[in-house]
Amino acid sequence: DTAVSQTPKYLVTQMGNDKSIKCEQNLGHDTMYWYKQDSKKFLKIMFSYNNKELIINETVPNRFSPKSPDKAHLNLHINSLELGDSAVYFCASSGDVGNTIYFGEGSWLTVV
Amino acid sequence: GNSVTQMEGPVTLSEEAFLTINCTYTATGYPSLFWYVQYPGEGLQLLLKATKADDKGSNKGFEATYRKETTSFHLEKGSVQVSDSAVYFCALSDRTGTASKLTFGTGTRLQVTL
Repeated sequence: DTAVSQTPKYLVTQMGNDKSIKCEQNLGHDTMYWYKQDSKKFLKIMFSYNNKELIINETVPNRFSPKSPDKAHLNLHINSLELGDSAVYFCASSGDVGNTIYFGEGSWLTVV
Repeated sequence: GNSVTQMEGPVTLSEEAFLTINCTYTATGYPSLFWYVQYPGEGLQLLLKATKADDKGSNKGFEATYRKETTSFHLEKGSVQVSDSAVYFCALSDRTGTASKLTFGTGTRLQVTL
């Protein structure tokens, strides 16, 4: 019974392709996030949604488009993939109490 | 803006040695503080947290105390094991409306040898 699950875990794709990463949480949280971890392990927030509404949108190329069909799901679609998009993408969620953010296991994206 | 500074790694220790990983932060207001751990090839796991000054977070033998006067949240463990080898991230959280935004340090790699 994984709390935050994301698929696929590994994705290798060619430059120029469009790909999606899916995320689901069963914690009953209202807020979900996407974080990016680069090759140097640095973690940075990309987006946050609360109950399907965009709350945080950091400086991210508009090739990245999050979509939240309901508060338990937050998918990440990436258009026209570039070599620099290679990274680990983490989905996460949080409730209203305590500010603790729980992460999924990550999706390792490699663009070749 | 908010920032988190961690000691640079890698930190290499022998099994049963004492561990300290330093973490200091800059923030407006009173953020919550966290340590996350990432084992090789795995995702981020919450290790411990503290939500207010002088709180001590603890888990799996690891401890960290929220020190407002020194803006620090150093991670300690009395006796490390080989299985503790991982990358450790210090982070602070502040609220943006209904979302919590985590600002991470750069991570400290710990390598424990027999």
